Amino acid sequence: VQLEQSGAEVRKPGESLKISCTNSGYGSNNYWLGWVRQMPGKGLEWVALISLAGSESRISPSFQGRVTISVDQSTNTAYLQWSSLQASDTAMYYCARRPSITASPFDYWGHGSLVTVSS
Amino acid sequence: QSALTQPRSVTGSPGQSVTISCTGTNSDVGRYYSVSWYQQHPGKPPKLIIYDVDKWPSGVPDRFSGSKSGNTASLTISGLQPEDEADYYCCSYAGTYIPYLFGTGTNVAVL
Repeated sequence: VQLEQSGAEVRKPGESLKISCTNSGYGSNNYWLGWVRQMPGKGLEWVALISLAGSESRISPSFQGRVTISVDQSTNTAYLQWSSLQASDTAMYYCARRPSITASPFDYWGHGSLVTVSS
Repeated sequence: QSALTQPRSVTGSPGQSVTISCTGTNSDVGRYYSVSWYQQHPGKPPKLIIYDVDKWPSGVPDRFSGSKSGNTASLTISGLQPEDEADYYCCSYAGTYIPYLFGTGTNVAVL
């Protein structure tokens, strides 16, 4: 199982950003991919979730309007996107895999994409 | 929906048992049998150690065990080992539109 996440990013407030996560391996489209935020020294917060087999997605009410989630089914890649970053978006963003069964846990996690927003 | 409530820290000696509580509501922990626990060492991604309240993923030692009563889930680590020193997070399914509700996290220290 491999979840390949894009690398660390540094942006200024107001800039846009798109980070990615690719699920590789046999049957890799039979999963959903989720994003989990961990701000410096803080806990885990679920951000968004998307199916690799279709366009069904969920965004946490806490992040609604702040982020967009999308998928490229041809490459089993999920994306998390911001149109206007804020300093408070500075965090590690983990990609995690969930089997296509409702209420399944995240069974594998990527190593994280560090996003730094600073002027 | 607020984060599930966990104690900030728990301490134990090698060989002892420690239990971490995770308190939610009847809309999440109390309603669904879908509570999972994650272990996170510093600088590492979280790792699934318990799912569906009391099931083990492959490769996780049975020193870790989970349970639930009402709106509170618990993780017990038996025979505490130095490598168990980490942060632990519970997580509950809370419905179609909030599939993951994490706890506040507990730091386990092994003295």
